[in-house]
Amino acid sequence: EMQLVESGGGWIQPGGSLRVSCAASGFTVRSSYMSWVRQAPGKGLEWASIIYSDGSTYYADSVEGRFTVSRDNSKNTVYLQMNSLRTEDTAVYYCARGLSYGITHYYAMGVWGQGTTVTVSS
Amino acid sequence: QSALTQPAAVSGSPGQSITISCTGTISDVGDYNYVSWYQQHPGKAPKLIIYDVSNRPSGVSNRFSGSKSGHTASLTISGLQADDEADYYCNSYTAGRTLVFGTGTKVTVL
Repeated sequence: EMQLVESGGGWIQPGGSLRVSCAASGFTVRSSYMSWVRQAPGKGLEWASIIYSDGSTYYADSVEGRFTVSRDNSKNTVYLQMNSLRTEDTAVYYCARGLSYGITHYYAMGVWGQGTTVTVSS
Repeated sequence: QSALTQPAAVSGSPGQSITISCTGTISDVGDYNYVSWYQQHPGKAPKLIIYDVSNRPSGVSNRFSGSKSGHTASLTISGLQADDEADYYCNSYTAGRTLVFGTGTKVTVL
Protein backbone atom coordinates (compact mmCIF):
# COMPACT_ATOMS: atom_id res chain seq x y z
CA GLU A 1 0.00 0.00 0.00
CA MET A 2 1.31 3.44 -0.93
CA GLN A 3 1.60 5.83 1.99
CA LEU A 4 2.98 9.31 2.72
CA VAL A 5 3.79 10.62 6.19
CA GLU A 6 4.67 14.28 6.69
CA SER A 7 6.59 15.60 9.68
CA GLY A 8 8.56 18.61 10.83
CA GLY A 9 5.81 21.17 11.19
CA GLY A 10 5.68 23.53 14.13
CA TRP A 11 5.72 27.13 15.25
CA ILE A 12 8.27 29.53 13.81
CA GLN A 13 8.75 33.28 13.95
CA PRO A 14 8.48 35.43 10.80
CA GLY A 15 11.74 35.45 8.89
CA GLY A 16 12.71 32.05 10.20
CA SER A 17 13.35 28.74 8.42
CA LEU A 18 11.80 25.30 8.71
CA ARG A 19 12.13 22.02 6.83
CA VAL A 20 9.20 19.64 6.51
CA SER A 21 9.64 16.04 5.43
CA CYS A 22 7.51 13.52 3.58
CA ALA A 23 8.43 9.87 4.05
CA ALA A 24 7.09 7.52 1.39
CA SER A 25 6.39 3.81 1.49
CA GLY A 26 5.04 1.40 -1.10
CA PHE A 27 6.68 3.23 -4.02
CA THR A 28 9.87 5.13 -4.84
CA VAL A 29 9.93 8.93 -4.82
CA ARG A 30 12.70 9.06 -7.44
CA SER A 31 10.34 7.65 -10.07
CA SER A 32 7.34 9.77 -9.05
CA TYR A 33 6.00 13.29 -9.45
CA MET A 34 5.92 14.65 -5.89
CA SER A 35 4.04 17.84 -5.01
CA TRP A 36 3.64 19.99 -1.93
CA VAL A 37 0.19 21.50 -1.43
CA ARG A 38 -0.77 23.82 1.40
CA GLN A 39 -4.02 24.96 2.97
CA ALA A 40 -4.23 28.03 5.16
CA PRO A 41 -6.78 27.90 8.02
CA GLY A 42 -10.30 28.09 6.59
CA LYS A 43 -8.98 28.58 3.05
CA GLY A 44 -8.68 26.54 -0.12
CA LEU A 45 -5.92 24.35 -1.47
CA GLU A 46 -2.83 26.05 -2.89
CA TRP A 47 -0.26 24.15 -4.95
CA ALA A 48 3.25 25.13 -3.81
CA SER A 49 5.91 23.02 -5.46
CA ILE A 50 6.75 19.90 -7.45
CA ILE A 51 9.77 17.71 -8.06
CA TYR A 52 9.47 15.58 -11.17
CA SER A 53 11.02 12.16 -11.70
CA ASP A 54 13.74 13.78 -13.83
CA GLY A 55 14.70 15.91 -10.79
CA SER A 56 13.44 19.21 -12.17
CA THR A 57 11.67 21.46 -9.69
CA TYR A 58 8.99 24.13 -10.03
CA TYR A 59 7.30 26.54 -7.65
CA ALA A 60 4.26 28.72 -7.24
CA ASP A 61 5.01 32.43 -7.54
CA SER A 62 4.07 32.87 -3.86
CA VAL A 63 6.99 30.70 -2.69
CA GLU A 64 9.51 31.04 -5.54
CA GLY A 65 12.92 32.02 -4.21
CA ARG A 66 12.04 31.17 -0.60
CA PHE A 67 11.11 27.46 -0.72
CA THR A 68 13.19 24.59 -2.09
CA VAL A 69 11.93 21.07 -2.77
CA SER A 70 14.37 18.15 -2.78
CA ARG A 71 14.44 14.40 -2.33
CA ASP A 72 16.70 11.81 -0.74
CA ASN A 73 16.35 8.63 -2.74
CA SER A 74 18.20 6.55 -0.13
CA LYS A 75 15.61 7.57 2.50
CA ASN A 76 12.70 7.60 0.03
CA THR A 77 11.81 11.00 1.41
CA VAL A 78 10.91 14.38 -0.07
CA TYR A 79 11.64 17.66 1.71
CA LEU A 80 10.42 21.23 1.56
CA GLN A 81 12.92 23.75 2.90
CA MET A 82 11.11 26.96 3.76
CA ASN A 83 13.12 30.16 4.31
CA SER A 84 12.14 33.76 4.98
CA LEU A 85 8.82 32.57 6.34
CA ARG A 86 5.89 34.97 6.47
CA THR A 87 2.70 34.91 8.50
CA GLU A 88 0.80 34.10 5.29
CA ASP A 89 2.75 30.83 5.00
CA THR A 90 0.79 29.51 8.00
CA ALA A 91 -0.98 26.39 6.71
CA VAL A 92 -1.30 22.65 6.74
CA TYR A 93 1.31 21.32 4.33
CA TYR A 94 0.45 18.16 2.42
CA CYS A 95 2.71 16.13 0.19
CA ALA A 96 1.13 14.23 -2.65
CA ARG A 97 2.24 11.70 -5.24
CA GLY A 98 1.32 12.02 -8.89
CA LEU A 99 -0.95 9.26 -10.12
CA SER A 100 0.75 6.55 -12.13
CA TYR A 101 -0.38 3.39 -13.88
CA GLY A 102 2.51 1.25 -15.02
CA ILE A 103 5.11 3.51 -16.60
CA THR A 104 2.61 6.28 -17.34
CA HIS A 105 2.68 9.29 -15.03
CA TYR A 106 -0.16 11.75 -14.60
CA TYR A 107 -0.17 15.25 -13.12
CA ALA A 108 -3.16 14.42 -10.92
CA MET A 109 -2.28 13.81 -7.27
CA GLY A 110 -3.43 10.34 -6.34
CA VAL A 111 -1.86 9.69 -2.93
CA TRP A 112 -1.86 12.23 -0.12
CA GLY A 113 -0.32 12.40 3.31
CA GLN A 114 -2.19 13.51 6.41
CA GLY A 115 -0.46 16.91 6.47
CA THR A 116 1.79 18.76 8.90
CA THR A 117 0.91 22.14 10.38
CA VAL A 118 3.23 25.12 10.07
CA THR A 119 2.43 28.22 12.11
CA VAL A 120 4.35 31.43 11.43
CA SER A 121 3.73 33.95 14.15
CA SER A 122 5.53 36.29 16.48
CA GLN B 1 -0.50 31.66 -11.72
CA SER B 2 -3.98 32.90 -10.85
CA ALA B 3 -6.32 30.40 -9.22
CA LEU B 4 -8.91 28.78 -11.45
CA THR B 5 -12.42 30.14 -10.86
CA GLN B 6 -15.09 27.98 -9.25
CA PRO B 7 -18.47 28.90 -7.76
CA ALA B 8 -18.23 29.32 -4.00
CA ALA B 9 -21.20 27.07 -3.28
CA VAL B 10 -23.54 24.63 -5.01
CA SER B 11 -26.42 22.74 -3.43
CA GLY B 12 -28.84 20.01 -4.36
CA SER B 13 -31.32 17.54 -2.92
CA PRO B 14 -30.57 13.83 -2.50
CA GLY B 15 -30.85 12.04 -5.82
CA GLN B 16 -30.41 15.17 -7.90
CA SER B 17 -27.47 16.03 -10.13
CA ILE B 18 -25.26 19.06 -9.70
CA THR B 19 -22.47 20.51 -11.81
CA ILE B 20 -19.44 22.51 -10.66
CA SER B 21 -17.57 24.67 -13.17
CA CYS B 22 -13.87 25.46 -13.23
CA THR B 23 -12.76 28.30 -15.48
CA GLY B 24 -9.15 28.91 -16.44
CA THR B 25 -7.20 30.41 -19.30
CA ILE B 26 -5.39 29.46 -22.50
CA SER B 27 -2.32 28.79 -20.34
CA ASP B 28 -3.93 26.04 -18.28
CA VAL B 29 -7.40 24.52 -18.72
CA GLY B 30 -7.71 25.80 -22.27
CA ASP B 31 -4.50 24.27 -23.53
CA TYR B 32 -4.13 21.00 -21.62
CA ASN B 33 -6.36 18.00 -20.94
CA TYR B 34 -4.77 17.62 -17.50
CA VAL B 35 -7.63 18.77 -15.30
CA SER B 36 -8.21 16.86 -12.09
CA TRP B 37 -10.84 17.13 -9.35
CA TYR B 38 -10.54 16.54 -5.59
CA GLN B 39 -13.06 15.99 -2.82
CA GLN B 40 -12.18 17.16 0.68
CA HIS B 41 -14.22 16.45 3.79
CA PRO B 42 -13.61 18.68 6.84
CA GLY B 43 -10.35 17.92 8.60
CA LYS B 44 -9.33 15.34 6.00
CA ALA B 45 -6.79 15.21 3.20
CA PRO B 46 -8.11 15.73 -0.33
CA LYS B 47 -9.10 12.70 -2.41
CA LEU B 48 -8.64 12.44 -6.18
CA ILE B 49 -11.94 11.74 -7.96
CA ILE B 50 -11.26 12.69 -11.61
CA TYR B 51 -8.01 12.94 -13.62
CA ASP B 52 -7.22 14.04 -17.14
CA VAL B 53 -10.61 15.79 -17.48
CA SER B 54 -12.88 12.75 -17.41
CA ASN B 55 -11.13 9.66 -16.04
CA ARG B 56 -11.99 8.09 -12.70
CA PRO B 57 -9.31 6.42 -10.55
CA SER B 58 -9.98 2.89 -9.39
CA GLY B 59 -12.58 2.78 -6.65
CA VAL B 60 -14.24 6.12 -7.37
CA SER B 61 -17.99 6.01 -7.90
CA ASN B 62 -19.30 6.41 -11.46
CA ARG B 63 -21.66 9.05 -10.06
CA PHE B 64 -18.74 11.43 -10.56
CA SER B 65 -18.01 12.54 -14.12
CA GLY B 66 -15.92 15.26 -15.73
CA SER B 67 -15.82 17.17 -18.98
CA LYS B 68 -14.21 20.20 -20.59
CA SER B 69 -15.16 22.79 -23.16
CA GLY B 70 -12.70 25.52 -24.11
CA HIS B 71 -11.30 27.14 -20.98
CA THR B 72 -13.92 25.62 -18.65
CA ALA B 73 -13.92 22.18 -17.05
CA SER B 74 -16.90 20.74 -15.21
CA LEU B 75 -17.55 18.12 -12.55
CA THR B 76 -20.99 16.52 -12.38
CA ILE B 77 -22.21 14.57 -9.37
CA SER B 78 -25.28 12.51 -10.16
CA GLY B 79 -27.57 10.79 -7.66
CA LEU B 80 -26.46 13.18 -4.93
CA GLN B 81 -25.88 11.51 -1.57
CA ALA B 82 -25.38 12.88 1.93
CA ASP B 83 -21.72 11.85 1.92
CA ASP B 84 -21.10 14.00 -1.16
CA GLU B 85 -21.35 17.05 1.08
CA ALA B 86 -17.76 18.34 1.00
CA ASP B 87 -15.46 20.87 -0.63
CA TYR B 88 -14.43 20.25 -4.24
CA TYR B 89 -11.37 21.60 -6.00
CA CYS B 90 -10.26 21.48 -9.60
CA ASN B 91 -6.61 21.50 -10.59
CA SER B 92 -4.83 22.00 -13.90
CA TYR B 93 -1.38 21.59 -15.33
CA THR B 94 -0.08 24.88 -16.72
CA ALA B 95 2.48 26.13 -19.19
CA GLY B 96 5.81 26.18 -17.37
CA ARG B 97 5.24 22.75 -15.82
CA THR B 98 3.46 24.10 -12.73
CA LEU B 99 0.03 23.23 -11.35
CA VAL B 100 -2.81 25.44 -10.12
CA PHE B 101 -5.91 24.78 -8.01
CA GLY B 102 -9.34 26.25 -8.31
CA THR B 103 -10.87 28.47 -5.65
CA GLY B 104 -12.98 25.63 -4.30
CA THR B 105 -16.71 24.87 -4.14
CA LYS B 106 -18.68 23.90 -1.06
CA VAL B 107 -21.35 21.35 -1.93
CA THR B 108 -24.36 21.17 0.37
CA VAL B 109 -26.88 18.34 0.27
CA LEU B 110 -30.23 19.80 1.25
